[in-house]
Amino acid sequence: DAKTTQPPSMDCAEGRAANLPCNHSTISGNEYVYWYRQIHSQGPQYIIHGLKNNETNEMASLIITEDRKSSTLILPHATLRDTAVYYCIVSAKSGGSYIPTFGRGTSLIVHP
Amino acid sequence: EPEVTQTPSHQVTQMGQEVILRCVPISNHLYFYWYRQILGQKVEFLVSFYNNEISEKSEIFDDQFSVERPDGSNFTLKIRSTKLEDSAMYFCASDSGLDTGELFFGEGSRLTVL
Repeated sequence: DAKTTQPPSMDCAEGRAANLPCNHSTISGNEYVYWYRQIHSQGPQYIIHGLKNNETNEMASLIITEDRKSSTLILPHATLRDTAVYYCIVSAKSGGSYIPTFGRGTSLIVHP
Repeated sequence: EPEVTQTPSHQVTQMGQEVILRCVPISNHLYFYWYRQILGQKVEFLVSFYNNEISEKSEIFDDQFSVERPDGSNFTLKIRSTKLEDSAMYFCASDSGLDTGELFFGEGSRLTVL
């Protein structure tokens, strides 16, 4: 019961922006969009999350469409170290936390 | 920067043996999790723990598994009688509960069951 759809792989030139799309057409009003990444076999790393508004932090920007049915994670200046699997996750919060459910994600390869 | 630490980094065990994987979550965090990732497959949720009890668990988390927070700092995952299919990376995570949206994951413990 995948809540999100992501392309299996993408590539990007070093120094260019990487734009990773995610479809979540069945998202509910109380569900947030979270992005994580996993570099090689390391533990997943949180990147950013949002509900309705676009968000930006030191790692990335998150653009959520007005109807909330899709979003794009933007890495403004990709580096080789950004090569990883990127996961788009939709989840509601329960209490003070939530349970991320990881799909297959998008394997991003940043090349020189 | 605070981090979640896991030990051992790699454990090899014989089928049928008991295994305990240890995690030290970030101090003052309130929510704790175990996930696993079989080689080449997705990261799968096992269990979440809050206020000294299991808050949610997946179908994978059967009677062979148990979790404990014995001393207020460690968070352990025990597998009573390991099977070959338990071979995987096991990730611990913690969350402050302060609504930051960020789960902090450890580097994982690789379990190999022979």
